[in-house]
Amino acid sequence: AQTVTQSQPEMSVQEAETVTLSCTYDTSESDYYLFWYKQPPSRQMILVIRQEAYKQQNATENRFSVNFQKAAKSFSLKISDSQLGDAAMYFCAYWATSGTYKYIFGTGTRLKVLA
Amino acid sequence: GAVVSQHPSRVICKSGTSVKIECRSLDFQATTMFWYRQFPKQSLMLMATSNEGSKATYEQGVEKDKFLINHASLTLSTLTVTSAHPEDSSFYICSAGTGIPYEQYFGPGTRLTVT
Repeated sequence: AQTVTQSQPEMSVQEAETVTLSCTYDTSESDYYLFWYKQPPSRQMILVIRQEAYKQQNATENRFSVNFQKAAKSFSLKISDSQLGDAAMYFCAYWATSGTYKYIFGTGTRLKVLA
Repeated sequence: GAVVSQHPSRVICKSGTSVKIECRSLDFQATTMFWYRQFPKQSLMLMATSNEGSKATYEQGVEKDKFLINHASLTLSTLTVTSAHPEDSSFYICSAGTGIPYEQYFGPGTRLTVT
């Protein structure tokens, strides 16, 4: 069974600085998708970034980028120029492309942004 | 972008009563909807997968008779918590798929409090 692990329950970053959130996963599949979701205090889930496993190039969305290491089954999120609005829970998620189609979420990392 | 609504956003009910939560895709047809439960400071736990016109698929450990899911149309899925008890108090989130399996849009959630 697939699993997703986020080993950092909480992280802090100074405003305008860079922070990296870690995520590892376990799967025997070769094709899948990985995601980072943001859940602010409103609790609305917001997609931050998506990575297709078959793509070697790391995904980037403005200040958000990932470091996808397929062999190591690692998928970290880098937030550059952190802003106060980035403060939220961040969930790493896995979606298989075969078998049962559903998200498997990590336990989350709470990011605090210090002014 | 695709919008998913949930109603109500908050509900308080007495122990022993039933409560229905609606999940609607407002601008797209959702063949698949997912229902999640989220306890404070925890991750999303998938409860069931709902497909239009067919019975929902429940995750292991989720009581089918307690959490009734109906997906009667391509834009509406409902979760009914029957004979609610205080331990059912939680935040319930739905997501709806556009047809691309991994592309899910989340509703804003419903906070259920059972007194």
